[in-house]
Amino acid sequence: AQTVTQSQPEMSVQEAETVTLSCTYDTSESDYYLFWYKQPPSRQMILVIRQEAYKQQNATENRFSVNFQKAAKSFSLKISDSQLGDAAMYFCAYDSGGSNYKLTFGKGTLLTVNP
Amino acid sequence: DAGITQSPRHKVTETGTPVTLRCHQTENHRYMYWYRQDPGHGLRLIHYSYGVKDTDKGEVSDGYSVSRSKTEDFLLTLESATSSQTSVYFCAISQDFSTDTQYFGPGTRLTVL
Repeated sequence: AQTVTQSQPEMSVQEAETVTLSCTYDTSESDYYLFWYKQPPSRQMILVIRQEAYKQQNATENRFSVNFQKAAKSFSLKISDSQLGDAAMYFCAYDSGGSNYKLTFGKGTLLTVNP
Repeated sequence: DAGITQSPRHKVTETGTPVTLRCHQTENHRYMYWYRQDPGHGLRLIHYSYGVKDTDKGEVSDGYSVSRSKTEDFLLTLESATSSQTSVYFCAISQDFSTDTQYFGPGTRLTVL
């Protein structure tokens, strides 16, 4: 079974600095999808970024970028120029694609942004 | 933001009572999902739907049933609520299956006393 591991339960960063959140996953599939979701105190789950495994280029969305290392099964999220509004729980998620539905979430990393 | 609403947003009920949570979407997406979120477990899939009247179980489906009579509505029912079902419940939608991004509703906090 696929598993997603976020090894950092909590992280903190100073405003305007850069922080990287780690995520590793276990799979035997060659094609799949990876996501980072943000959950602020409002509890709303917000998509941050998506990566398709067959694409070698790392996904980027404004201040958010990923470092996708397929061989290492690693999918880290980098947040540049951190803002107070970035404070949230961040979840990494894996989607195996295909006909057998399986979207698996990690347990989350709580990010604090210090002014 | 995707047009997804959940009702009620908060509910407190007693053990043994039936509870129905509603998810409503205005995006005309084919796929809809129910998750529960508990501390230390992240999000876990309860049931999902791939069309009107087409549903299937997720990894934590025991004690839950679902129904989808219209594209826009996906109902989650706890036939006889238990304290272990105290959780935050999220509905999600996607246009395509599995390969498409899922968009989440605002969540429902359910407390079973």
